[in-house]
Amino acid sequence: QVQLVESGGGVVQPGRSLRLSCAASGFTFSHYAIHWVRQAPGKGLEWVAVISYDGSSKWSADSVKGRFTVSRDDSKNTLYLQMNSLRAEDTAVYYCARDGAPYSRRYMDVWGKGTTVTVSS
Amino acid sequence: QSALTQPASVSGSPGQSITISCTGTSSDVGGYNYVSWYQQHPGKAPKLMIYDVTERPSGVSDRFSASKSGNTASLTISGLQAEDEADYYCTSYRSSTWVFGGGTKLTVL
Repeated sequence: QVQLVESGGGVVQPGRSLRLSCAASGFTFSHYAIHWVRQAPGKGLEWVAVISYDGSSKWSADSVKGRFTVSRDDSKNTLYLQMNSLRAEDTAVYYCARDGAPYSRRYMDVWGKGTTVTVSS
Repeated sequence: QSALTQPASVSGSPGQSITISCTGTSSDVGGYNYVSWYQQHPGKAPKLMIYDVTERPSGVSDRFSASKSGNTASLTISGLQAEDEADYYCTSYRSSTWVFGGGTKLTVL
């Protein structure tokens, strides 16, 4: 079945880096854009970034621009989120989510269970 | 990036209908037909309920419907059931990015 599994979360000090991974299975990974969405403790959902189906285009939220980079390795069916210069306000559960429309970017139809990132000294 | 505006909470009794609004601007909700709605139970990942303003994914109950007028989108849940109690989020495309609403907690009385 279609599945996304995030990993790489943990506790990290402010200013340090962390790389999250999102392993996909059950669908043709290279046909779909993939999003990162996060949720701070007790807060709502916040869109973080998206990478197009072919990796040629990437967009991110102003709150992470210049610090977070999304990438993909279609040979491994895996999406990455490189997070640099982490701040306390980056503490959240990070979800990856598949875009529902092949070769397009419209909505998020399949979500992983999330991985928790805690930024604290 | 300002969030879309949703009511913090709504409530209804079993069998009743409720509507959750999602207000944005002409740069997001009003400018594109890429509004989607998500249901999230505590400790769980969000679940897609509505996409492209009015479309319902297979497997989602037809008790869930949605619409849009101008800069405001709406989600209606009819025949409320206890299992509908959850947080609901709208999101809209906005110039190559996405913006979420602040979320609405639905309580089934």
